[in-house]
Amino acid sequence: EVQLVESGGGLVHPGGSLRLSCTASGFSFSDYGMTWVRQAPGKGLEWVSYSSSSSGTIYYTDSVKGRFTISRDNAKNSLFLQMNSLRDEDTAVYYCARGGGWFDSWGQGTLVTVSS
Amino acid sequence: EIVLTQSPATLSLSPGERATLSCRASESVDRYLAWYQQKPGQAPRLLIYDASNRATGIPARFSGSGSGTDFTLTISSLEPEDFAVYYCQQRRNWPPLTFGGGTRVEIK
Repeated sequence: EVQLVESGGGLVHPGGSLRLSCTASGFSFSDYGMTWVRQAPGKGLEWVSYSSSSSGTIYYTDSVKGRFTISRDNAKNSLFLQMNSLRDEDTAVYYCARGGGWFDSWGQGTLVTVSS
Repeated sequence: EIVLTQSPATLSLSPGERATLSCRASESVDRYLAWYQQKPGQAPRLLIYDASNRATGIPARFSGSGSGTDFTLTISSLEPEDFAVYYCQQRRNWPPLTFGGGTRVEIK
């Protein structure tokens, strides 16, 4: 069974940093591109970042470029999102999802709250 | 950036009725469109990809159609567990991947 488990969310002040993790199991992690998608409270889904299986191709949505960094450790079946210079508008549940075009498996999400 | 517009925002129907949800793209996405279902407090679930292909384990009452800029998700006969929010998503031209704003299917 495919499982994705996010961790690392929490409350942070504006301008602060957080590192999210996503641990995968039940499939060959190194064969798949992986994605972060977020959802602000009561809002819709927003694609955030993508890493190809080898980390050779990485994309970000414009609003996080220069502030967020996606990375992965295939030996540890883990995906990461380093978030710096956090803003109020980054408050959301952050999901990791398997895939780069369609997302056929999702984690349960981790809540990031940016507030003073 | 390709903008996806979903309509209606809310659909009020009774169990057993047919649901028809629309997604319109600001430019052609060919057939590179997916549909997701999200229930409160849960992660989204992939229902349909490439406009009309059901994902693994998705019941046959869910079907997708369309190409280019106009797409439809149809639920042939609503079950109690189908009341949820539905999102469309394109992968024709990215980054960025984009989602529609969602359609809430609620019990009438």
